[in-house]
Amino acid sequence: EAGVAQSPRYKIIEKRQSVAFWCNPISGHATLYWYQQILGQGPKLLIQFQNNGVVDDSQLPKDRFSAERLKGVDSTLKIQPAKLEDSAVYLCASSFGTGGTEAFFGQGTRLTVV
Amino acid sequence: RKEVEQDPGPFNVPEGATVAFNCTYSNSASQSFFWYRQDCRKEPKLLMSVYSSGNEDGRFTAQLNRASQYISLLIRDSKLSDSATYLCVVTYQAGTALIFGKGTTLSVSS
Repeated sequence: EAGVAQSPRYKIIEKRQSVAFWCNPISGHATLYWYQQILGQGPKLLIQFQNNGVVDDSQLPKDRFSAERLKGVDSTLKIQPAKLEDSAVYLCASSFGTGGTEAFFGQGTRLTVV
Repeated sequence: RKEVEQDPGPFNVPEGATVAFNCTYSNSASQSFFWYRQDCRKEPKLLMSVYSSGNEDGRFTAQLNRASQYISLLIRDSKLSDSATYLCVVTYQAGTALIFGKGTTLSVSS
């Protein structure tokens, strides 16, 4: 079974530029999460989707971050404009059913903002 | 108060040692509990779920104390390959996201 796919693996941008990350969850997984992991910290939830609907985006900095999962399958997370403090690993995860169960993570996108 | 708190360590132990990690959570309504393992520069992976009755998987034992809002992970006979960060994870209710602690770093040396 294929795992969660993310791209790109690494990205370096200058502050105030925009960037987009892509995620394709495990086939059949209704729930998709985006997490931000800053060095030395645990993953922090940015947004949770169930199919193509948003379940929780309370911690998403909506002035600069946006995410969509239009067809209920793959998802895109965008940052515009980026700040230095956005440097982190962006992890996509998916789970079967409505969430609250085991989540499977992709390898992440390591973003460096300079 | 943070939602999920863990001692960040690092815990430095020799091979064969027994080591225990503790975790506390703030929301008494939390429903599901997990330990995830994260190797350096890798993604988190499920190590084990934690059940009210406690559960064991080989050298790993997880315990849950709902009254004290406390979760533990015990690793017996530590191996070099156990070196990693161990993340304590809870969910508040069915359908909600996993809430992660900061992680506890374990380093096992020969």
